[in-house]
Amino acid sequence: DVKVTQSSRYLVKRTGEKVFLECVQDMDHENMFWYRQDPGLGLRLIYFSYDVKMKEKGDIPEGYSVSREKKERFSLILESASTNQTSMYLCASSLGRAEAFFGQGTRLTVV
Amino acid sequence: DAKTTQPPSMDCAEGRAANLPCNHSTISGNEYVYWYRQIHSQGPQYIIHGLKNNETNEMASLIITEDRKSSTLILPHATLRDTAVYYCIVRVYTDKLIFGTGTRLQVFP
Repeated sequence: DVKVTQSSRYLVKRTGEKVFLECVQDMDHENMFWYRQDPGLGLRLIYFSYDVKMKEKGDIPEGYSVSREKKERFSLILESASTNQTSMYLCASSLGRAEAFFGQGTRLTVV
Repeated sequence: DAKTTQPPSMDCAEGRAANLPCNHSTISGNEYVYWYRQIHSQGPQYIIHGLKNNETNEMASLIITEDRKSSTLILPHATLRDTAVYYCIVRVYTDKLIFGTGTRLQVFP
């Protein structure tokens, strides 16, 4: 079974903390994605990586950075968490034009 | 900006075919049409994709018009478990995967 694993299902962090969300895929996919999902706004792309150490900004990159040092791992970093970053975060991976596979999501609450 | 337009919501009776439309009038020659769905509180699930020919798999059929400016996802016998938000996406395979707001399909008994 193909698998995209996000490190935490639920996370609570304090304002100003540096937060790492980890995503690992076991399918040797070159593309990986980070999204956030908020009620009424759908899924919005934060960052996209098409290879190791390669990244592109999505629609809402402000306040986030990413790291892809190894092909299987794509990390989303909130440099200084704020309450408006409380959201559901979803990671996905894909190989070429084939379908993308999604993780189960991390529900982050910033207090 | 999303490159697709979908109705915000649709209803379908259980056992009937659900036909979900999508407009993508600015699609370019190397862009594929993808469909995903998201059932409440789960990650999106891939359904089907195509370039210009109609496609069918065990979940659904995808009908793409000859000019490729629109497509229809068909769930041949909708069940209550098909209640979800359905997303139509166009992309080049090396490109970002951008979701719009999708169509909320409600299947009723």
